[in-house]
Amino acid sequence: EAQVTQNPRYLITVTGKKLTVTCSQNMNHEYMSWYRQDPGLGLRQIYYSMNVEVTDKGDVPEGYKVSRKEKRNFPLILESPSPNQTSLYFCASSTTGELFFGEGSRLTVL
Amino acid sequence: SQQGEEDPQALSIQEGENATMNCSYKTSINNLQWYRQNSGRGLVHLILIRSNEREKHSGRLRVTLDTSKKSSSLLITASRAADTASYFCATDAKNNLFFGTGTRLTVIP
Repeated sequence: EAQVTQNPRYLITVTGKKLTVTCSQNMNHEYMSWYRQDPGLGLRQIYYSMNVEVTDKGDVPEGYKVSRKEKRNFPLILESPSPNQTSLYFCASSTTGELFFGEGSRLTVL
Repeated sequence: SQQGEEDPQALSIQEGENATMNCSYKTSINNLQWYRQNSGRGLVHLILIRSNEREKHSGRLRVTLDTSKKSSSLLITASRAADTASYFCATDAKNNLFFGTGTRLTVIP
């Protein structure tokens, strides 16, 4: 089954404790992207990747890092999480313009 | 930001009625897409309309695009309770997708 898998789905952590949200797709898509969704603000892009070893900043990259060492994986790294990074995060992938989304990762930073 | 804006922010209708949502955007686009999101879940692609198209249909969905006004509309005909969800437009520019803030549709059985 074609899918985008994110882990963890839910996480509560504390300020400053590094964490990684993994994203994996099994559709051989070149394009992958991370979004955060906050009430009233819609989806805002954090980082995106057009292909392996190619990443670019989106609208709200501050406080986040990504890497794209393999085509299928695009992890999102929060080196020192802060409460304003409490949000619902989505990973997505695409090859033809239509995005396929993961089920989301709800992150709470205390 | 190139984010689009949906209008209205929220819409409540009776089952069987039609629902219309609008999207306005700011820059030239390659295409415009509509997505649906059930509460807290991942977004699901509904339909894509290219910049050289004016109207497109998919089942009970009808999308129009007016590039001169930089606007699009999504019409859902004969709505069902299962159509209750948030609907987002996304504009494709600079090889990237930019999402609006969404319309929350509630269909009352």
